[in-house]
Amino acid sequence: DGGITQSPKYLFRKEGQNVTLSCEQNLNHDAMYWYRQDPGQGLRLIYYSQIVNDFQKGDIAEGYSVSREKKESFPLTVTSAQKNPTAFYLCASSIDLDRFDRGPRNEQFFGPGTRLTVL
Amino acid sequence: DQQVKQNSPSLSVQEGRISILNCDYTNSMFDYFLWYKKYPAEGPTFLISISSIKDKNEDGRFTVFLNKSAKHLSLHIVPSQPGDSAVYFCAASARGGSYIPTFGRGTSLIVHP
Repeated sequence: DGGITQSPKYLFRKEGQNVTLSCEQNLNHDAMYWYRQDPGQGLRLIYYSQIVNDFQKGDIAEGYSVSREKKESFPLTVTSAQKNPTAFYLCASSIDLDRFDRGPRNEQFFGPGTRLTVL
Repeated sequence: DQQVKQNSPSLSVQEGRISILNCDYTNSMFDYFLWYKKYPAEGPTFLISISSIKDKNEDGRFTVFLNKSAKHLSLHIVPSQPGDSAVYFCAASARGGSYIPTFGRGTSLIVHP
């Protein structure tokens, strides 16, 4: 039963602390992504990775860091440098089209999300 | 500057009627468009997509129309059902951007029984 999981579902953090959000997928997808959703906003891209040991900044990478040591895992660390970290965080994965030249069909599969609240 | 715009934050429709959700984009390089559906406290799920070489794609009750000259697409749901109540995100992507989608802000659809 393939899918993408995120943990925990709810996370509370004290101001000034770093926190790491987990994302795991068993879909054998090459590409993984982190998005942030705020009320009234769309999904904004934080970081993405198209292959193991490589990742790229998205539109709002400041205050965040990622790693991609395994194909299945793409954890996101929210650092104390992130000015407004309270948000709903979504992880997604997809087939990496550039590598396999399968054309533009690039629907992403999303995890259930983690709601981070800074106290 | 938003490249994908969903100008209606919300839409209310009666069960059985048609729901029409609209989306406009500004980047002429976009050549693939997707719609996602999202329930509260869950991740979005893919609904339907369309390539720029087409002007219509249909999947059951869902049809997406693309007007390239107007840089406009719309999602039609017929007939609307209460279970369709959710936030719908329009997204657009381009080969030059590795087909990583840019999302609109979403439209909240409420279908009344």
